[in-house]
Amino acid sequence: DSGVTQTPKHLITATGQRVTLRCSPRSGDLSVYWYQQSLDQGLQFLIQYYNGEERAKGNILERFSAQQFPDLHSELNLSSLELGDSALYFCASSVGERSYEQYFGPGTRLTVT
Amino acid sequence: AQSVAQPEDQVNVAEGNPLTVKCTYSVSGNPYLFWYVQYPNRGLQFLLKYITGDNLVKGSYGFEAEFNKSQTSFHLKKPSALVSDSALYFCAVRELRGYQKVTFGTGTKLQVIP
Repeated sequence: DSGVTQTPKHLITATGQRVTLRCSPRSGDLSVYWYQQSLDQGLQFLIQYYNGEERAKGNILERFSAQQFPDLHSELNLSSLELGDSALYFCASSVGERSYEQYFGPGTRLTVT
Repeated sequence: AQSVAQPEDQVNVAEGNPLTVKCTYSVSGNPYLFWYVQYPNRGLQFLLKYITGDNLVKGSYGFEAEFNKSQTSFHLKKPSALVSDSALYFCAVRELRGYQKVTFGTGTKLQVIP
């Protein structure tokens, strides 16, 4: 158990809908990272937050957004969902602003039908 | 831009034999290098990292990795494979200086055959 929690574990929704994925980092970790893992794209970095502020952006679509709250939990919002958004979404956390080793949550499996 | 390549989609090895999972990288400066393992239906778990110092890095579960600067490689090794080592292995890199995101390889599926 990495200490990173993600909810929900599974999510099934229809195209065009909006969903919110939630992540709680390990105790003491200030950075949260979001990744998308799909069969054809592999593991793709989406975005990083450090202590409430956005620090780095990867291949995140404009339909996706994230935020980190004062209690350090983070939410990833996915809107206008398409079939191609079906994937595993992982949250990871690390102690500092720079990415040393990251600790991954169990993931949320999103299925868009 | 930084990148990492894992040339083998799958590696098969007999239980008890040594295993190697290959990784090569490209960064403009000195690298931070990592290996992670992903078991089915689980998140990635950190195995080991290289920052500076000894080129042979020891990690969790008996794994080690050898950093080779001239060949820009960071191969993962284990002297004697276990069936329980069967999983998906990811190599990752980021530049040591400044701030850069971590770039993950595409993953190598390790199958240890009893």
